[in-house]
Amino acid sequence: AQSVSQHNHHVILSEAASLELGCNYSYGGTVNLFWYVQYPGQHLQLLLKYFSGDPLVKGIKGFEAEFIKSKFSFNLRKPSVQWSDTAEYFCAIGSGNTGKLIFGQGTTLQVKP
Amino acid sequence: EAQVTQNPRYLITVTGKKLTVTCSQNMNHEYMSWYRQDPGLGLRQIYYSMNVEVTDKGDVPEGYKVSRKEKRNFPLILESPSPNQTSLYFCASSLSRGAYEQYFGPGTRLTVT
Repeated sequence: AQSVSQHNHHVILSEAASLELGCNYSYGGTVNLFWYVQYPGQHLQLLLKYFSGDPLVKGIKGFEAEFIKSKFSFNLRKPSVQWSDTAEYFCAIGSGNTGKLIFGQGTTLQVKP
Repeated sequence: EAQVTQNPRYLITVTGKKLTVTCSQNMNHEYMSWYRQDPGLGLRQIYYSMNVEVTDKGDVPEGYKVSRKEKRNFPLILESPSPNQTSLYFCASSLSRGAYEQYFGPGTRLTVT
C-alpha cells in the first residue's frame, strides 16, 4: 500500500536557523510529490511540487525540496526560517488512477523570534 | 478570484442529526474531493468525483455520502453523524484526476456531541 512518512512531528527552531523536514514514501511506481503548508487557522496551500525533470525543485517563500528516487525521499529545506514560517507542513504523493493525494502525518514547525 | 469555498466553517451538532457541508469551486475543475484531517493522521480522502455524476469512495467513506449534480458543487452529507466524525473537513479540486495539484477550501470544523 502507498504511504507517506514524515519523521519529524514537531520542530522548534530559532529565526535564521536552517530547516530540513524529512519525507519518505512507499510506492513502486511513478509518483507526483508535493509539499503543502497550513498556516494557523488557514487552508492548505501548495508550497512546491515535483512531477519530473530536475529533482531539485524550488517553491514559494524560499522553500526547496529534493527528490531522491533511490531513497524514496522528498525532503523540504529552507536555508533561513522566519517567524512567519510557523505552520504545519504536509508531504503528499499523488499516484494511481483516482487522483487521490496521500498525506503524511504532518510536521508542526514553530519558529521562535 | 479562483477559489474553493465551503460552508459552514464551523458546526456543532448532535448525534444523528443529518447535516450537509457544501463545497463549491469556480475554476471549472473536473476533479473534486473531500478529506478529513485528524491529529497525527494527516489528511485522509473520504470521497472523490472525477466529473458530474461520477463519484467514488476514498479511504474513509463510512458514514458519508456525496453527490455531484453540477460541476462546481460537491456537497458532503452526513446522514447520521456520530462523535467519531468530529474532525476538520477539507474540500479540494483539481483540473483533472491526472493533475493531482489540488486546491483546498478553508475547511469546516465539525463537532458531533
